[in-house]
Amino acid sequence: QKEVEQNSGPLSVPEGAIASLNCTYSDRGSQSFFWYRQYSGKSPELIMFIYSNGDKEDGRFTAQLNKASQYVSLLIRDSQPSDSATYLCAVNRRDDKIIFGKGTRLHILP
Amino acid sequence: GAVVSQHPSRVICKSGTSVKIECRSLDFQATTMFWYRQFPKQSLMLMATSNEGSKATYEQGVEKDKFLINHASLTLSTLTVTSAHPEDSSFYICSAPDRGRIGPYNEQFFGPGTRLTVL
Repeated sequence: QKEVEQNSGPLSVPEGAIASLNCTYSDRGSQSFFWYRQYSGKSPELIMFIYSNGDKEDGRFTAQLNKASQYVSLLIRDSQPSDSATYLCAVNRRDDKIIFGKGTRLHILP
Repeated sequence: GAVVSQHPSRVICKSGTSVKIECRSLDFQATTMFWYRQFPKQSLMLMATSNEGSKATYEQGVEKDKFLINHASLTLSTLTVTSAHPEDSSFYICSAPDRGRIGPYNEQFFGPGTRLTVL
């Protein structure tokens, strides 16, 4: 089992709709979880982080964490064409290292 | 947020040469820095952890004699790809946590990356 798993996509979502991105992780001792956005040829930029079970909202973005299910998700409301990118789920392992999933390619359809 | 720079942004070299990539934390001190490699359409793969004042620790499968890491100061880590070959062509990215900030624990700040092409 891979440490951090994501559906590679592409995920196509109409402009204005909600995009839902999912991630599962294997290390139950992981404490913090991150969503990064990466445009082609660029390094990742942090979108959201979450530590506690439940939802965390920041503008159009909502991160959801369920530690019992080892599941993290990211919702993007009112999707815009500029949201088209690869979204990387990252997990802070117990040894303090950040491990990334393969990423989900999101395509917002105008 | 905290700023991490990398130099060079792009490098093209001949097979068999060595290439040095610098990673700098510009407005904070970083006792730890991480080096990642990303092949096209793949995720970031952690290569090694760079520790100021001590040896780097490498992930399984990463050759420490090929990827030399030096973390000589609290703001600079260097990655040297020795005897580079075409299969080493990749996007190399460093990151550092700013542990002095009040904020999310272990938030990583990424450099802009270095595109290495080995001919």
